[in-house]
Formats: sequence, structure tokens, C-alpha cells
Amino acid sequence: AQSVTQLDSQVPVFEEAPVELRCNYSSSVSVYLFWYVQYPNQGLQLLLKYLSGSTLVKGINGFEAEFNKSQTSFHLRKPSVHISDTAEYFCAVSPSGGSYIPTFGRGTSLIVHP
Amino acid sequence: EPEVTQTPSHQVTQMGQEVILRCVPISNHLYFYWYRQILGQKVEFLVSFYNNEISEKSEIFDDQFSVERPDGSNFTLKIRSTKLEDSAMYFCAGSLANYGYTFGSGTRLTVV
Repeated sequence: AQSVTQLDSQVPVFEEAPVELRCNYSSSVSVYLFWYVQYPNQGLQLLLKYLSGSTLVKGINGFEAEFNKSQTSFHLRKPSVHISDTAEYFCAVSPSGGSYIPTFGRGTSLIVHP
Repeated sequence: EPEVTQTPSHQVTQMGQEVILRCVPISNHLYFYWYRQILGQKVEFLVSFYNNEISEKSEIFDDQFSVERPDGSNFTLKIRSTKLEDSAMYFCAGSLANYGYTFGSGTRLTVV
């Protein structure tokens, strides 16, 4: 089984500032890692994913994440946020074999202030 | 870009009533899922469906829940006798392979 911890339930930040949303996971097997974004009253949209290869993954809307196996982390970063980035962000992990069913973290609410 | 369509967007039902939540997945997807998100809580896996049968289900998915894909297009989640604690956002998802799901925009179920 695997679990995901998103350390911050809410992250307020000013527009054009950098942001990092933290995600740590635990798993007894090798994993795939995902970040999803949920805008108000919308579904979950895939931001980026790590399956294998380069540990730095670039996604949509200028986001990137780095897989750190030794620290079991997959933190999401953006160098300069916009008001439109205000949303709920979910980290998810799935085993890289077997059922592949992802486990989601509790989510981090990113609030971008003007 | 292809989308997963869920209807209705919001459903209110009385406790004890049956509800059917509907999803139209992307046509070439092979794996289908239902998740739920109780307000303020994390997204929880309910069930996965592949090759016209349930491939995995969580402990949340008890005998009150069922899924089917009756016509090869729609993918439905039925709750036989709703309880107050079934109030949540229900997300349908699909994937071509075993990862990288595409989620629908969800159905908000309110049980009163």
C-alpha cells in the first residue's frame, strides 16, 4: 500500500512570487507520481506525471516537479504564479505495476493574492 | 481535446432513495473508475472497471454501490439506498493505459 502526505493544507502567495507545494509519499514498491489541479467547480486536471527517466518533470501552465527518491518527495514548483493559478492541488501516487490505482493526498489550496 | 462527460452536475436526493450517476468516457479508453470527494477531504478511490467487469474496489464500495456499462458507452454508478454520508462529489475517470487518468468535472450529490 502507499500513502501520500501533502504537508500544507493552504498556501497563500502573492502574484508573481514563486511557490512550492510539498508532497511526500511512502510505498513498498516503485511508484508513478502525479500532480492534479482542481479549479473551483471543475474536475481534476492532470498537471504533470513522473513515470520514469528524468527526475525533473515539466507540466502544463509553467509548473514543474522533481522526484527525489531518497527523500520520497515530489514537490511541485512554479517560479512565478498568476491569480488564475488559485486552485486545489492534489498529489497522487500509484504503484508502477499491478493495479496502478492512484492514492491521492488531501490536497493543498493555493491562494494567489494580487 | 476529448473530455469525460458527467451528468447531472448536481443532484439532490432524499435519504433512502436510489441514484444513478452517469458518465460518458472518452471513446478509446479501456479503464474506467469512480472516485468520490467528501467536502474538504481527499479524493477517494471507489472502483475500477475493465473489460466489462469490476477489476478492483475499495472498502467504501459496499453492496449499496454498483457500476455498469450497459451500452458500451455510458458508465454508471448506482447507489441503491442513499445515506447522508454519501453526500460528496463523485468523479468518473478513464484511461487508455493504466495511468494518466482523464477525470470528468464531477457530480455533486447531496443527500437530504
